[in-house]
Amino acid sequence: EDQVTQSPEALRLQEGESSSLNCSYTVSGLRGLFWYRQDPGKGPEFLFTLYSAGEEKEKERLKATLTKKESFLHITAPKPEDSATYLCAVQARTSGTYKYIFGTGTRLKVLA
Amino acid sequence: DVKVTQSSRYLVKRTGEKVFLECVQDMDHENMFWYRQDPGLGLRLIYFSYDVKMKEKGDIPEGYSVSREKKERFSLILESASTNQTSMYLCASTNRALWDQYFGPGTRLLVL
Repeated sequence: EDQVTQSPEALRLQEGESSSLNCSYTVSGLRGLFWYRQDPGKGPEFLFTLYSAGEEKEKERLKATLTKKESFLHITAPKPEDSATYLCAVQARTSGTYKYIFGTGTRLKVLA
Repeated sequence: DVKVTQSSRYLVKRTGEKVFLECVQDMDHENMFWYRQDPGLGLRLIYFSYDVKMKEKGDIPEGYSVSREKKERFSLILESASTNQTSMYLCASTNRALWDQYFGPGTRLLVL
């Protein structure tokens, strides 16, 4: 069964304390892996797409990497404004069509 | 920038009412999606559409229908609202070349 698992469920960091969020997946026919940021009560905001193992993308304090079984979202020297839920999703080929499968997210809290 | 708008941020409806949720995107995207998001369950796909007048069922289509009469507009219809349809509803769109999903702000629906 296609599945996306994110860990940890919740993470508290001190401002400036770097860390990584994990997204592991078991899917067939991976087409892309996506990271989103979601603030409370709002829709997810697109961050990155990764297409193949070894690929990396960066945006400000965030860096996403991809292997054949998992992706990491590295947060370097986080600030309180980085507090949000981070969602991972994969696009996979299932039953002749492409579908998105989402993880349940990691809730990040950065303390000043 | 891609903009996806949803007709309401908050809605309160009674059991048995017919409910319309509307989504509009301004980037000429071919693909549009409706999800619901519930705590601990992540985002679940209700319906999606690859073109005008075309629709396909997602993972949880029961109790819902959709309409796509124009390329920029995708409507979700709850034929007879029930309390278990209380949720956050999210619309998203993508183009055919890049599958990065852009989400609207969400509609929080409460069915009493």
